[in-house]
Amino acid sequence: DQQVKQNSPSLSVQEGRISILNCDYTNSMFDYFLWYKKYPAEGPTFLISISSIKDKNEDGRFTVFLNKSAKHLSLHIVPSQPGDSAVYFCAASGDDKIIFGKGTRLHILP
Amino acid sequence: ETGVTQTPRHLVMGMTNKKSLKCEQHLGHNAMYWYKQSAKKPLELMFVYNFKEQTENNSVPSRFSPECPNSSHLFLHLHTLQPEDSALYLCASSQGAWGARTEAFFGQGTRLTVV
Repeated sequence: DQQVKQNSPSLSVQEGRISILNCDYTNSMFDYFLWYKKYPAEGPTFLISISSIKDKNEDGRFTVFLNKSAKHLSLHIVPSQPGDSAVYFCAASGDDKIIFGKGTRLHILP
Repeated sequence: ETGVTQTPRHLVMGMTNKKSLKCEQHLGHNAMYWYKQSAKKPLELMFVYNFKEQTENNSVPSRFSPECPNSSHLFLHLHTLQPEDSALYLCASSQGAWGARTEAFFGQGTRLTVV
């Protein structure tokens, strides 16, 4: 049973527009959420995180939103750039666990 | 350069071979992890070491044997693997205990192919 779900395997977005990547979780014990970005042939790199006491965290072009009642978080990238093309992993931690989603492949179209 | 280095980057081995994957971190972290990434599957945690002590073994078959001689080095010894063990093996490290609010830094991974 997947505790962290990224239901969209891939997403294509026009350069300059907003990219929205979604993530759902099932375990109420999770209290810290992270997004990682992964290029081919490289390990994942940390992008942005949010604590469960917040509902929004912003860092430059990246904003993560957390809706605890819906157990849903999303990553917004605006404006999207060609270098944003990568696989994005959502991760949730808490209850002595860190669980990753399957990832969403983002394609930024010229 | 993430500060976490994995060698080799690629490895092809037969099912009867013995090989080892190496991970080294220069970040002063005290926790290190092995993850497995198979196609179309989430990252799977294999082993956790905290201050050189193994604190988690996520039901990993005994043909995978980890070793952590010090806080900076982590090995994954491989023996009589199966073709389904072919995957990307990622090492990570973090400052702080497992499950704490901390980010993990990943190495580039070792692409393992078992033939």
